[in-house]
Amino acid sequence: EPEVTQTPSHQVTQMGQEVILRCVPISNHLYFYWYRQILGQKVEFLVSFYNNEISEKSEIFDDQFSVERPDGSNFTLKIRSTKLEDSAMYFCASHPGLAGEETQYFGPGTRLLVL
Amino acid sequence: AQSVTQPDIHITVSEGASLELRCNYSYGATPYLFWYVQSPGQGLQLLLKYFSGDTLVQGIKGFEAEFKRSQSSFNLRKPSVHWSDAAEYFCAVALLSYNTDKLIFGTGTRLQVFP
Repeated sequence: EPEVTQTPSHQVTQMGQEVILRCVPISNHLYFYWYRQILGQKVEFLVSFYNNEISEKSEIFDDQFSVERPDGSNFTLKIRSTKLEDSAMYFCASHPGLAGEETQYFGPGTRLLVL
Repeated sequence: AQSVTQPDIHITVSEGASLELRCNYSYGATPYLFWYVQSPGQGLQLLLKYFSGDTLVQGIKGFEAEFKRSQSSFNLRKPSVHWSDAAEYFCAVALLSYNTDKLIFGTGTRLQVFP
């Protein structure tokens, strides 16, 4: 069964450094998402991406964040200058974009720790 | 504003007992509702979903959920809990639009199972 994959599974970085989180969505899916979950809190929407552009972003997704789909298979989240409060689990998700099939499939997550 | 409420932060049951996890939503249109499960350190796995039709939906691992429009609820049930069901359970509603369909999650219910 196809699945969403994410790399790395864990990332430790120093405050102020740039990180890139990578995701490979399920092929032929059209909608892509990033969510994050701060330890002990609920899962929060960050950004959605459709038709090669951001379709919606949350207040959390400020100028330090960017997303890209560089090659038709990978979907990346870049944090330009990490802050301590960026420490969280980051989930990538995708869905096929078919009417009646609006189910998002999640990857296993990348746990980011900013020191 | 759209929201999802899971009133129970933590539930403890004995193995073999029945289970009901509560979820209430606030959404102006017909909701697309989901239950996801997250085992410790793992990603989000889809248990079941409701889009339309039969209000009692069956999912994986013996779970079911019932959509009650009059109560704005989508409670998750299992007749006999297994120790492996210990995990965090998230209810979510999809906010549909032509280019996003983002998920709004509840705060989660942590299920503990005693032998």
